[in-house]
Parts: sequence; C-alpha cells; structure tokens
Amino acid sequence: DTAVSQTPKYLVTQMGNDKSIKCEQNLGHDTMYWYKQDSKKFLKIMFSYNNKELIINETVPNRFSPKSPDKAHLNLHINSLELGDSAVYFCASSAQETQYFGPGTRLLVL
Amino acid sequence: SQQGEEDPQALSIQEGENATMNCSYKTSINNLQWYRQNSGRGLVHLILIRSNEREKHSGRLRVTLDTSKKSSSLLITASRAADTASYFCATGFDSGNTPLVFGKGTRLSVIA
Repeated sequence: DTAVSQTPKYLVTQMGNDKSIKCEQNLGHDTMYWYKQDSKKFLKIMFSYNNKELIINETVPNRFSPKSPDKAHLNLHINSLELGDSAVYFCASSAQETQYFGPGTRLLVL
Repeated sequence: SQQGEEDPQALSIQEGENATMNCSYKTSINNLQWYRQNSGRGLVHLILIRSNEREKHSGRLRVTLDTSKKSSSLLITASRAADTASYFCATGFDSGNTPLVFGKGTRLSVIA
C-alpha cells in the first residue's frame, strides 16, 4: 500500500533528451509537490499543485513542465536535459502541514 | 534562499547515547517539522511543532522550539543503529498546504 509512488526509480539518459517522471498518491490529498535534492542533499521546492492547479512555480527553467491530469497524479516532464539536471527528484503530497514523500527518482544525465 | 541550517552537519555516536541536532531559521514561521531520510530513500515525517509550542515529545524524540532565537532542537534518546539516517528540519509558513523550506540536514551515524 504505497502512499506516494514515483516511476521510474532510476533514470539514466543523454544530454539533450526529453524525459518524464510520474507520481501518484493514494492518500486523497489535494496538494502535491515536486522537490529537487542536489548532490549535497539540499532539498528545494520546484512546483506546488492544489487540486490540479499550479500554485507555486519556483525559479525553475521552463524546460521543466509539470502536469496534473487529476489530483492524484503530478507528472514532471523535462525537455533538453542538461548535466546540471542530475539530482534526485521527490514528489510529495499533503492534506495539511505534514508532507508525505515518494521514494525519489534518481536522474543521471550523461 | 535557504531557510534552515542544521548543526552539526554530521554526528557519530555509540548506540544507547543521546543525539542532539539543532536547526536555525531566518524568518517567522507557522510550524517547524523534522524529517528523517534513510540512505537512498524518501523523507519520512517525524514530528511537527507549532510556533506557539515550546516542546513536544513523540516516543524517543523530543523537539524544542525557541521562536525568539529562531531555533529548534531534535533530541533522540537511547539511540539505536536503526536511527542512522539524515535528519532535516523544515519550516512551514502557514497552516495550509504550502511548500516546506528545508535545511541541509544532519547526517547521524549510530555505531553498534
């Protein structure tokens, strides 16, 4: 009974490619997030969605485009991948203050 | 910009000892949360303390919050090898669904 799931778990790809990461939550939460964790373990918010509507879009390159087909799903599409995009991407959801995180997607751009 | 700063960056203790981690932040908050991240895994919520609370307990965890000093501490008592993980503080700015601002974390190693 995974609460927040992400696919794929690992993603290795070449510079310039386009890739997508999927996230699903079965907790019935209205709000979902994407965070990026860099090699120094620093976690930073990228996007926040509430009931399929974009609420927050931090200073993220427009190569990153989130899409929420319904409130249980928040996918992240990345165009023209760059070396600096290598990181671990975490999806999370919340009903109130506490957030529930997925296991992460480890992206390596070569 | 980054809100939370954990201290120390790394901590190594013997099983059975207590572990104390500190977090400082810069702006006013509604709540402060602590999360644990095991190696290669996602973050797991441990405990939340609101800005009008000073201390909170959950099992072997004790959290304090000093809003005048903009700081919090997490105490893990009687540590176990399974407590080995990175611990992050995260600040929330209202009581609703808003993104958290995380510190860089403290890497705790508990040696059996």
